[in-house]
Amino acid sequence: DIQLTQSPSFLSASVGDRVTITCRASHGISSFLAWYQQKPGRAPKLLIYGASALQSGVPSRFSGSGSGTEFTLTISSLQPEDFATYYCQQLDGYIFTFGPGTKVDIK
Amino acid sequence: QMQLVQSGPEVKKPGTSVKVSCKASGFTFSTSAVQWVRQARGQRLEWIGWIVVGSGNANCAQKFHERVTVTRDMSTSTVYMEMSSLTSEDTAVYYCAAEWDGSGSYAFDIWGQGTMVTVSS
Repeated sequence: DIQLTQSPSFLSASVGDRVTITCRASHGISSFLAWYQQKPGRAPKLLIYGASALQSGVPSRFSGSGSGTEFTLTISSLQPEDFATYYCQQLDGYIFTFGPGTKVDIK
Repeated sequence: QMQLVQSGPEVKKPGTSVKVSCKASGFTFSTSAVQWVRQARGQRLEWIGWIVVGSGNANCAQKFHERVTVTRDMSTSTVYMEMSSLTSEDTAVYYCAAEWDGSGSYAFDIWGQGTMVTVSS
C-alpha cells in the first residue's frame, strides 16, 4: 500500500495567518489526492480533490497543489472556523490510504 | 437532498461479525462509488475499502482483506460493510462516503453520520 506522511503533525496559528500543510506519498500518485477537514465528533468534510480542485461550497481561502509525491494544502487567511484536523487521502489505483493528520490549533 | 444514512450503533462480542449498512438517496446510486472509513476514539482516519456500485467491484486495504466484505444492493440503494473476527481493536466509528456524480474524480463529498461499533466481552 502507498504510505502518506503529513507535516507538521501539529500546528499552532492565529486568525489571519497563512497556513501550509504538506503531504508526501511513498510512491507517485499523479494527482489522485484529496484533502479533508474534520472537527471533533463530526464526519470529515471534503475540501480538495484531484490535488487542486476546490470542492463546491468550500471557501476560496483553501487551495491545494502538487503532483507525484508531494502535495500542499494552503489556507490563505486562517479563520476561527478553520481550527480542526486536516487529512490527506491518496486515491491511486484500487487501494486508498489516509495520512496521519495535522491538527491546527489556536495560538 | 443527497445523503447517506447509516445503520445504528452495534455492540458485539469478540470473534463475532458486524454488518453496517449505508443507504443512499438523492443521487443516482448506480453511477456512484462508496468508500468505508473508520476512526477509533482520538485516533486517525483509517481506510477500510470501497465499491464501484455499478460494477460491484470492491477492494479493501491489505489489513482487512481477509475479514471485510463490501457489497451493494441495487434494489434498495444500500451499501454494506461486513467485518468478521472482531476484536476490541475494531471498536470505532465507521463512516461511509460517496462519490455521487460518476465522474471518476474520487470526490467523496457525501458522508454518512457514522456508526459506532463497540466490541466488548
